[in-house]
Amino acid sequence: DTAVSQTPKYLVTQMGNDKSIKCEQNLGHDTMYWYKQDSKKFLKIMFSYNNKELIINETVPNRFSPKSPDKAHLNLHINSLELGDSAVYFCASSQEGQAQHFGDGTRLSIL
Amino acid sequence: GENVEQHPSTLSVQEGDSAVIKCTYSDSASNYFPWYKQELGKRPQLIIDIRSNVGEKKDQRIAVTLNKTAKHFSLHITETQPEDSAVYFCAASIGTGRRALTFGSGTRLQVQP
Repeated sequence: DTAVSQTPKYLVTQMGNDKSIKCEQNLGHDTMYWYKQDSKKFLKIMFSYNNKELIINETVPNRFSPKSPDKAHLNLHINSLELGDSAVYFCASSQEGQAQHFGDGTRLSIL
Repeated sequence: GENVEQHPSTLSVQEGDSAVIKCTYSDSASNYFPWYKQELGKRPQLIIDIRSNVGEKKDQRIAVTLNKTAKHFSLHITETQPEDSAVYFCAASIGTGRRALTFGSGTRLQVQP
């Protein structure tokens, strides 16, 4: 059983397109996150949701819009994709007082 | 906001030797310090974590130490094996639940057989 699952695993698309990445966790956690890992392997927080409410929104272009339909799901929609958006996007989840668990990542490549 | 610095960026050791990776953090309110191991093409996986009310924690060949006064924490791996080769990230946050992690820049550990 995959605890935090993301789809798709790979996403190759052209500049200017709009795409979505989905994340689901079956751990019963109440907080979910999106992290971006760039080509130099830096891992940086983008967003955090607690029980469907946005609690962290770092300095991310407004082309990125997270959405949490329920506490087990956190999706990421990206409009007007740019070359600099190429990265691996990791979803994670945690429960109060416990460590964060990461999904397998979505490798986004912009042509 | 929090800033975490990690050193060294690369570390090569012989199998059986020890490896030490060091991190410093800036926000004295940070009280949770996990370490993640990331193999090539895989997700970060938690290997050990420590809370600020503890100075040291061990789990088999892995140990973490924390110096709150100096705002330093370190990962120690003893008797390294080739399968320990990976990128290791330290992180810090205020609390373990809802707060996001601020990651260090990573250390690429290579264990030579």
